[in-house]
Amino acid sequence: KNEVEQSPQNLTAQEGEFITINCSYSVGISALHWLQQHPGGGIVSLFMLSSGKKKHGRLIATINIQEKHSSLHITASHPRDSAVYICAVTTRINQFYFGTGTSLTVIP
Amino acid sequence: DTAVSQTPKYLVTQMGNDKSIKCEQNLGHDTMYWYKQDSKKFLKIMFSYNNKELIINETVPNRFSPKSPDKAHLNLHINSLELGDSAVYFCASSPLKGRGGTDTQYFGPGTRLTVL
Repeated sequence: KNEVEQSPQNLTAQEGEFITINCSYSVGISALHWLQQHPGGGIVSLFMLSSGKKKHGRLIATINIQEKHSSLHITASHPRDSAVYICAVTTRINQFYFGTGTSLTVIP
Repeated sequence: DTAVSQTPKYLVTQMGNDKSIKCEQNLGHDTMYWYKQDSKKFLKIMFSYNNKELIINETVPNRFSPKSPDKAHLNLHINSLELGDSAVYFCASSPLKGRGGTDTQYFGPGTRLTVL
């Protein structure tokens, strides 16, 4: 079993819909990262969280340390949000674990 | 003025060859990483260097050797390439010394390695 599990694996949404991607992890962490990988292959770091909630534009990331769970929300989704979203965690002893990614397609 | 750059972008080579991938960052970051993304798009960390010092060395074959001539560069040398080494290799960097994965990482564009 992977230390980081994401759901759903694939997601198709209509433009304008509110989207939620979930991440659960089984290890003690120092930080959780949400990454976006564009269809062209480039990877961008969206958020780095150790507690609470962060917002950037239409993207919101939350984390519940007690429940070992994080969510990435996209409001008013747009076709340009189509990408693979990857959850990753780092531990206090510098271990890195990655989820298998959620492939999002937003249809106009 | 690319922040994290990798060369080459594509690398096609025969089994058994030795090859290198170069990575440079101009962000003044202290920590650099190498990741491997397999055909199923699963990312895995390989190495991390903090100001030229190796701090993470995951279980990878000895054929893979990182080299950091200075804190702005982290090159990946691969000996005796095998078919299973075919993947996309990403370099990344993050700002603060000693904090490794608790900092935002900036990724290079990736190098697609194909071993024939």
